[in-house]
Amino acid sequence: QAVVTQEPSVTVSPGGTVTLTCGSSTGAVTSGHYTYWLQQKPGQAPRTLIYDTSNKHSWTPARFSGSLLGGKAALTLSGAQPEDEADYYCFVSYHSTWNWVFGGGTKLTVL
Amino acid sequence: EVQLVESGGGLVQPGGSLRLSCAASGFTFSSENMNWVRQAPGKGLEWLSYISSTSSPIYYADSVKGRFAISRDNAKNSLYLQMNSLRAEDTAVYYCASGSGSSWLYSWGQGTLVTVSS
Repeated sequence: QAVVTQEPSVTVSPGGTVTLTCGSSTGAVTSGHYTYWLQQKPGQAPRTLIYDTSNKHSWTPARFSGSLLGGKAALTLSGAQPEDEADYYCFVSYHSTWNWVFGGGTKLTVL
Repeated sequence: EVQLVESGGGLVQPGGSLRLSCAASGFTFSSENMNWVRQAPGKGLEWLSYISSTSSPIYYADSVKGRFAISRDNAKNSLYLQMNSLRAEDTAVYYCASGSGSSWLYSWGQGTLVTVSS
């Protein structure tokens, strides 16, 4: 089974910009992996921010964006706010093996 | 407003069984794919199973294949997860998630806690 890798923890200053990445043990992450990005705050259910690499839901703040960067999926936060402090998970589709895998998550600290 | 409410969690002994339910409202349940995802205490998310709007196809993670069974009743707007041969490592909060269009994980329930312990 594929392993999806994320940075365990990242710190960003308020108002700053940060990029979280999501890599795959099978090789480059492409648009065909339909990567999702989810946000989870302590004690809450996850909330999906990005789907299909770069598409936003109606509730996704404009400061979040998804892309592909250097063979990985990426979530960029531009203008970090204190309320963005949370765990972020990527979710990768492996349609060739009918398998879907979450990354281990990145704990984002806004400090 | 989309609402997903999981139920059926609780304490079960190793080797036992449990059936989780997810009651859906606020959208056309029969048109959307559904997923089960779990989160062990203090750990990350784990995708478990997918069921299409018509109940075929169905997919499972290797960790639960042969032990868990996903199903749905579109007439009752409900999703289910039958869990058999439960192990301590199945202890987790179990979430159902609904799709919408091309988004598989559009909305999430609040989860139900399953504890497997003697």
